[in-house]
Amino acid sequence: DAGVTQSPTHLIKTRGQQVTLRCSPKSGHDTVSWYQQALGQGPQFIFQYYEEEERQRGNFPDRFSGHQFPNYSSELNVNALLLGDSALYLCASSSTGPGEKLFFGSGTQLSVL
Amino acid sequence: SQQGEEDPQALSIQEGENATMNCSYKTSINNLQWYRQNSGRGLVHLILIRSNEREKHSGRLRVTLDTSKKSSSLLITASRAADTASYFCATQKAAGNKLTFGGGTRVLVKP
Repeated sequence: DAGVTQSPTHLIKTRGQQVTLRCSPKSGHDTVSWYQQALGQGPQFIFQYYEEEERQRGNFPDRFSGHQFPNYSSELNVNALLLGDSALYLCASSSTGPGEKLFFGSGTQLSVL
Repeated sequence: SQQGEEDPQALSIQEGENATMNCSYKTSINNLQWYRQNSGRGLVHLILIRSNEREKHSGRLRVTLDTSKKSSSLLITASRAADTASYFCATQKAAGNKLTFGGGTRVLVKP
């Protein structure tokens, strides 16, 4: 039973570019959340997707957008990259119902130069 | 902004000793969770305690929750070198809602 998988593991982009990160949730999970973790800090909630719709959103600009597909996988898109977007991006999945405990992927390390 | 503040920010102990870290939060919660992160990669869920619970155990882990003080503690007993990691508390206002993380405690267990 595969856990949460994320791709790519590392990515280097330059300012102004756009990036797409991908996530496949744990088998049986239908809810995907994305978090941004800057170096030395705790993860910050970006948004959550359920039934292909954004259900909750954190305090992130519109440059951050996402999508969930019918198979529950998800993408995180960031436009017009800034140096400050450099961080570890974590995807987490959960199931509806209790839905309390999150299962995290290993993350995508994004470096913006 | 982060809901929780963790104390201490870093902790260094010898193998076999106990490690205690604390978490404070600001608003009412449904539950509080603790996660471990090795080497800046994915987080692993350790334990969840609900707002109507005061103490919970899982193996070598003991978590307490004091909702009147809006604080929680995580105790790792008989620590091992493999316990070296960052530990984060996270609060959830309602089941299924987002998790709000603290800044973490970096624990080093020396052999």
